[in-house]
Amino acid sequence: DSGVTQTPKHLITATGQRVTLRCSPRSGDLSVYWYQQSLDQGLQFLIQYYNGEERAKGNILERFSAQQFPDLHSELNLSSLELGDSALYFCASSPPSGTSGGLAKNIQYFGAGTRLSVL
Amino acid sequence: DQQVKQNSPSLSVQEGRISILNCDYTNSMFDYFLWYKKYPAEGPTFLISISSIKDKNEDGRFTVFLNKSAKHLSLHIVPSQPGDSAVYFCAVRGLSGGSNYKLTFGKGTLLTVNP
Repeated sequence: DSGVTQTPKHLITATGQRVTLRCSPRSGDLSVYWYQQSLDQGLQFLIQYYNGEERAKGNILERFSAQQFPDLHSELNLSSLELGDSALYFCASSPPSGTSGGLAKNIQYFGAGTRLSVL
Repeated sequence: DQQVKQNSPSLSVQEGRISILNCDYTNSMFDYFLWYKKYPAEGPTFLISISSIKDKNEDGRFTVFLNKSAKHLSLHIVPSQPGDSAVYFCAVRGLSGGSNYKLTFGKGTLLTVNP
């Protein structure tokens, strides 16, 4: 168990709909990352938050948005869903800079993922 | 344009033999290299890493080799065990604006270790 919790595990919805994926990071971790894994693709970085603030953006569509709340949990909102949005969405967290653990700066601990199916 | 390539989508080896997983990258500015393992229905888990100032790092049955001149990374597992069967992702760390780092992942290699 990585300590990162993602809900729900599975989500089935229709095109045009909006969904929210939730992530609770490991205790003490300030950074949250969101990734998308489509069929036959690696993990595509979407966005990173650090202590409530957006820190980095990757290949995130304008229809997608995220936020990190004061209690450090994060939500990824996907709207106007299309068939091609069907994928596994992973959340990861990492310790604050300077934490013991060697390269703690970017060892990311992943949740089990949310499988989104858009029909 | 893929910055991290794992050219073998799959690899099958016999239990007890060596498994060698390969990864190529394009940017010489990457400073840390990691391997993650992923079982079905689970998230990726960190396995082993290496800094760009080293060329080898060993942890039990797992050894990572870095050839900076060739921009090539490999993971050796010896001896391979059936429980090692999983998807292995190579990841590289680089700067993403200011002092912020980000990981870029390869597409993964499915390792199957046959009893």
